[in-house]
Amino acid sequence: GDSVTQMEGPVTLSEEAFLTINCTYTATGYPSLFWYVQYPGEGLQLLLKATKADDKGSNKGFEATYRKETTSFHLEKGSVQVSDSAVYFCALSDRDGGSQGNLIFGKGTKLSVKP
Amino acid sequence: DAGVTQSPTHLIKTRGQQVTLRCSPISGHKSVSWYQQVLGQGPQFIFQYYEKEERGRGNFPDRFSARQFPNYSSELNVNALLLGDSALYLCASSLALGPNQPQHFGDGTRLSIL
Repeated sequence: GDSVTQMEGPVTLSEEAFLTINCTYTATGYPSLFWYVQYPGEGLQLLLKATKADDKGSNKGFEATYRKETTSFHLEKGSVQVSDSAVYFCALSDRDGGSQGNLIFGKGTKLSVKP
Repeated sequence: DAGVTQSPTHLIKTRGQQVTLRCSPISGHKSVSWYQQVLGQGPQFIFQYYEKEERGRGNFPDRFSARQFPNYSSELNVNALLLGDSALYLCASSLALGPNQPQHFGDGTRLSIL
């Protein structure tokens, strides 16, 4: 079945450091890909998305490019801030097999940014 | 505009009891999905409803059921609670069905089973 694999956390960075969180996926069709962020005590917020190969999603300085050849959707940010500390989830939504858009999530990567 | 709202925010139950969780979608959203998030894990899909009909079901036992009302709000029911049902239950709404429709999440109901 479809699945998402994220790099293990936690990830600890200093403010203004470069961030990469790796995400790879397995899917039978051509999924849409998403990054969600979860702040402590809150639900998930959509950070960015990409719906087809080579699409780049971006928001709030975060970017991720849909790479079909490597089945990857790595999250990057050039300069992290303390306020970026949260848990980040990579997710896919398959478009084949009559899928109605249900999300399949990775296990999440906890990011801590130190001042 | 209000986001997805869930109630209650916290709930404590004992094994064998039954629980009902409630969700109000964003105004205009017709699809509601439910997810279970066990501590330290990503959310797992439970149900999706659209226009009051079940459109998807995850790999959960029959103790889990849900419904959607004419105003698109939804309830998730869990019977015969087990310790393993302790989790954050998330509701998400979207305008319509489809893999490109972003889902908007509420803050969840934290269910603890003693």
